Amino acid sequence: QVQLQESGPGLVKPSQTLSLTCTVSGGSISSGLYYWSWIRQPAGKGLQYLGRIYTSGSTHYDPSLKSRVTISMDTSMNQFSLSLSSVTAADTAMYYCARGSTSSWFGSWGQGTLVTVSP
Amino acid sequence: SSELTQDPAVSVALGQTVRITCQGDSVRTYYASWYQQKPGQAPVVVIFAKNNRPSGIPDRFIGSTSGSTAYLTITGAQAEDEADYYCNSRDSSGNYAVFGGGTKLTVL
Repeated sequence: QVQLQESGPGLVKPSQTLSLTCTVSGGSISSGLYYWSWIRQPAGKGLQYLGRIYTSGSTHYDPSLKSRVTISMDTSMNQFSLSLSSVTAADTAMYYCARGSTSSWFGSWGQGTLVTVSP
Repeated sequence: SSELTQDPAVSVALGQTVRITCQGDSVRTYYASWYQQKPGQAPVVVIFAKNNRPSGIPDRFIGSTSGSTAYLTITGAQAEDEADYYCNSRDSSGNYAVFGGGTKLTVL
C-alpha cells in the first residue's frame, strides 16, 4: 500500500519561499497511473487544491495561486515537491501531499505538515 | 470561493440515516467523491467516482448524484461517523480538482 510523507520547514518568514517535499513509498511515482498533488487546509477551514504533477512532468496549478506555485518531481528519489513563493500569513496551513486519480479524487494522503508563516 | 457548496453542519440521531449534500454545476458532468476527516487526521476517501467504496469503508456509506447535486448518504449512522465531510470533483472547466467547503456531521 502506497504511503506518502511530507517534510520541510514548519516556519517560514513572510515574503520568503515555502518548500516542501513528499516522499512516496510502496509505489513508484513513475507508474503513470496517478497524479501527485498538493492540498492545503488552514486551521478550522476547508481543503484547497494547490496543484498536481504527472509522470510526464506536466503540471497544473490552481488558478488563484498559479503565479506563486511550482510542483516538481524527482523520480530517482521517488519524491515530488512544492514551492510557494512570496508567502504571507494567509499561507499558514496544514499542507498535504496526495495521490490523485485521473478522475480527480485522492485515494492516498500524507499525514500533513503544518507550515506557519511568521516573522 | 468554492465551486461546490455544502451545508456547514448536519446532525443525525444514532442509528438513523443522514444525507449530506454537495451542489455545483460541475457535478452534472464530473464524478463527485467524498472524504471523511476526523480531528487531527488527514482526510480519508469514503466514496470515489460517484458511488465506489474503497476497501475497509462500511457499506452504510452511499454516494449518488441528481442533477447538480451530489449526495453522501450514511444509513444507520454510528458514533464513529462523527466527522467533517468534504466533497470533491472537478471545476466547471474540467481542468482541476475542487473541494466543497465541508460539512460537520454530529451524531446525537
